[in-house]
Amino acid sequence: DADVTQTPRNRITKTGKRIMLECSQTKGHDRMYWYRQDPGLGLRLIYYSFDVKDINKGEISDGYSVSRQAQAKFSLSLESAIPNQTALYFCATSGTSGREQFFGPGTRLTVL
Amino acid sequence: AQSVAQPEDQVNVAEGNPLTVKCTYSVSGNPYLFWYVQYPNRGLQFLLKYITGDNLVKGSYGFEAEFNKSQTSFHLKKPSALVSDSALYFCAVRDLNSGGYQKVTFGIGTKLQVIP
Repeated sequence: DADVTQTPRNRITKTGKRIMLECSQTKGHDRMYWYRQDPGLGLRLIYYSFDVKDINKGEISDGYSVSRQAQAKFSLSLESAIPNQTALYFCATSGTSGREQFFGPGTRLTVL
Repeated sequence: AQSVAQPEDQVNVAEGNPLTVKCTYSVSGNPYLFWYVQYPNRGLQFLLKYITGDNLVKGSYGFEAEFNKSQTSFHLKKPSALVSDSALYFCAVRDLNSGGYQKVTFGIGTKLQVIP
């Protein structure tokens, strides 16, 4: 079984809809991250969390919110989706040492 | 501010030939450097990292990377390319002396195409 899972894997939605992307991990890591990937821009950090009570904004948090329901679960919400939020979204985890990150398979989101 | 540059959008190499994927970085303190690989429809997978010590770092799948402090580079290399190495490669850096949350900055990625 994969260590970091994301649901859904693909989602098509309409402008203005609220969307939630979910991430679960079995690695026992405290640190979790949400990134978006756009062609030519690489990966950009949306939010990160060092434990259940510690959530921080990344470089592109506007239009997004997160919830850390448990050590193993970290959800990303788009309150009112817009077309420029069409992207590939990745969840990642790392140990407390903050070293290499382990990525989920990604969610391809299309906002029409 | 820290940054990473991957100057080549795509690298083409013949199967069996050596490959190099270039990366240069900029940090104010000491760098912590990574290479990740992304296969189609998959998440990024960690390949190797440099923290300190030997400038030549060996990683997964026969890849290695050479840290060059004077040139601020961390190029990814493999002596003999395989068709299965075709993927998107990302270089990333952390500034170990930045204090607080040590953000990881990723490059924009280099597509490696190994030609049979």
